[in-house]
Amino acid sequence: AQTVTQSQPEMSVQEAETVTLSCTYDTSESNYYLFWYKQPPSRQMILVIRQEAYKQQNATENRFSVNFQKAAKSFSLKISDSQLGDTAMYFCAFHTQGGSEKLVFGKGTKLTVNP
Amino acid sequence: EPEVTQTPSHQVTQMGQEVILRCVPISNHLYFYWYRQILGQKVEFLVSFYNNEISEKSEIFDDQFSVERPDGSNFTLKIRSTKLEDSAMYFCASSEALRGDPLMGYTEAFFGQGTRLTVV
Repeated sequence: AQTVTQSQPEMSVQEAETVTLSCTYDTSESNYYLFWYKQPPSRQMILVIRQEAYKQQNATENRFSVNFQKAAKSFSLKISDSQLGDTAMYFCAFHTQGGSEKLVFGKGTKLTVNP
Repeated sequence: EPEVTQTPSHQVTQMGQEVILRCVPISNHLYFYWYRQILGQKVEFLVSFYNNEISEKSEIFDDQFSVERPDGSNFTLKIRSTKLEDSAMYFCASSEALRGDPLMGYTEAFFGQGTRLTVV
């Protein structure tokens, strides 16, 4: 069974600084996808970034980037130039390619960006 | 921008009562999902639904739960006899195709804003 672990329940960062959220996962699959979802106070779950396991290059979306270490089963999210609007819960999630349709989520990290 | 909408945003119900949580998926999406998040816990998969039938369900999705697409636009989750431990946020999601399909590539699942269910 796949598991996703986020070891940081809460984090805070000053506006304009950089913060890294950690995520580790466990799977025996070789083909899968990893995600970071953002859940702001409005509660809508929004996809921030996606990484295909077969790609060695780390995904980047504007200020958001990941450090994907497949051998270590680690998938951290770096937010550069943090903005107040980045304040949210961040969930790391895993999805097997093909087969099961479900996303497996971590418990989340509550990020607060301070002015 | 199209979005998944859920109603109500908050529902309070007495233990033993039936509740129906409603979702309107994005109109051209074919796959629908329910997830739940007990306070302070992980977001957990409940069920996926395609072509008017359940395509996958978790061990949480027992006989007290059911899903339905009653009219071609709504997607509902019914909890027949609520228990205190059913208190949670329930998220609906939809996607255009099976996510991670080897032929179609990855298609994103879009989530609703959730319904907070409180069983008292």
